[in-house]
Amino acid sequence: EIVLTQSPGTLSLSPGERATLSCRASQSFSNSHLAWYQQKPGQAPRLLIYGASSRATGIPDRFSGSGSGTDFTLTISRLEPEDFAVYYCQQYGNSRTFGQGTKVEIK
Amino acid sequence: EVQLLESGGVLVQPGGSLRLSCSASGFTFSSYAMSWVRQAPGKGLDWVSAISGSGDSTYDADSVKGRFTISRDNSRNTLYLQMNSLRAEDTAIYYCAKGSAAVRPYCFDNWGQGTLVTVSS
Repeated sequence: EIVLTQSPGTLSLSPGERATLSCRASQSFSNSHLAWYQQKPGQAPRLLIYGASSRATGIPDRFSGSGSGTDFTLTISRLEPEDFAVYYCQQYGNSRTFGQGTKVEIK
Repeated sequence: EVQLLESGGVLVQPGGSLRLSCSASGFTFSSYAMSWVRQAPGKGLDWVSAISGSGDSTYDADSVKGRFTISRDNSRNTLYLQMNSLRAEDTAIYYCAKGSAAVRPYCFDNWGQGTLVTVSS
């Protein structure tokens, strides 16, 4: 099973700042089949990024994904108040596994 | 608009059984794979089971293999999860998630609001 490790566990930032979230895989998987999801309290997850770098429908361009192989990054260029949430990465190239999540909180 | 509505979550005793349902609308149900993903209270996301668009192929996480069975009725636009031999560690919100394609590989592009399963005596 591919294990995804997200870092940091918690990111404390202010609105307007840049957020950089990391997702590292225990082994590489096919064709950058990596997705990022956002989850707010009491809500279902929402797809942000698929294929490591493609934005899902309706996702603002302040969200961007990058990486390949075993190292992937989600960047939020300028944090808006509604962006404070938990973010999960998921690989779907070899079965399916999720990272443990990164919480982006208001500093 | 894609809508996924889960039902069937309740309080059940350890060793018991339960069937969850997910009613889908707003897309051609048989053209997309579907999955169940769970989230224990205060914890992260945990993929449970998946089924191809036609229903011919199913996949289960090791933690539920032999206990849970995913199925679908494309004539009713409904996804199911039959859960047997339930354990306390199966306590979670269970989400129905739509795959981005009919067969692997796919991510989850739409999610239901979830249904809570509590396993306790």
